[in-house]
Amino acid sequence: DQQVKQNSPSLSVQEGRISILNCDYTNSMFDYFLWYKKYPAEGPTFLISISSIKDKNEDGRFTVFLNKSAKHLSLHIVPSQPGDSAVYFCAAKVRTSGNTPLVFGKGTRLSVIA
Amino acid sequence: DGGITQSPKYLFRKEGQNVTLSCEQNLNHDAMYWYRQDPGQGLRLIYYSQIVNDFQKGDIAEGYSVSREKKESFPLTVTSAQKNPTAFYLCASTQQGIGIQPQHFGDGTRLSIL
Repeated sequence: DQQVKQNSPSLSVQEGRISILNCDYTNSMFDYFLWYKKYPAEGPTFLISISSIKDKNEDGRFTVFLNKSAKHLSLHIVPSQPGDSAVYFCAAKVRTSGNTPLVFGKGTRLSVIA
Repeated sequence: DGGITQSPKYLFRKEGQNVTLSCEQNLNHDAMYWYRQDPGQGLRLIYYSQIVNDFQKGDIAEGYSVSREKKESFPLTVTSAQKNPTAFYLCASTQQGIGIQPQHFGDGTRLSIL
């Protein structure tokens, strides 16, 4: 049973336009959400995160939006650049005193076309 | 320069053989994790350890074993009981504490069957 779902396996966007990657979750206990970016044959790198007490977090070209009532979050990349082409993973975790593992979605492959 | 080092980058296993994947971190992180990535499957948790000499099973622990004798090291053994070991293995670590503590990943080990 997938707790974090990325329903679009792939997405193609033209350079300079907006990329929107979506993520849905089922566990209402999740309090923290993270996005990771992964290039082939490399480990994922942390991109941006958001806590459930917020509905938006922005870092340069990257913005994450959280809609708790819909259990949905999205990552916006504006403007998209060819170097953004990678697999993006959405991840979530429950707020506890320890380091509970992240739960990952299956990823969305973004292709930015020049 | 702090980080997570996984070795080897490529590993081949013969039928019936156990192999051990190395993961070392110099970030002074308390928690360490092992994930497996298969095409279209995202990252699935194998084992994790929140403290030295303690570890917990993840979602797909069967056929794997780990140890955590030192804070900086978390080796993963793929045993002959793991019938489908071909995958990309990722090690991660994170600092202890409540809140968003992003996991930092190594660059992975690709395991193949001879």
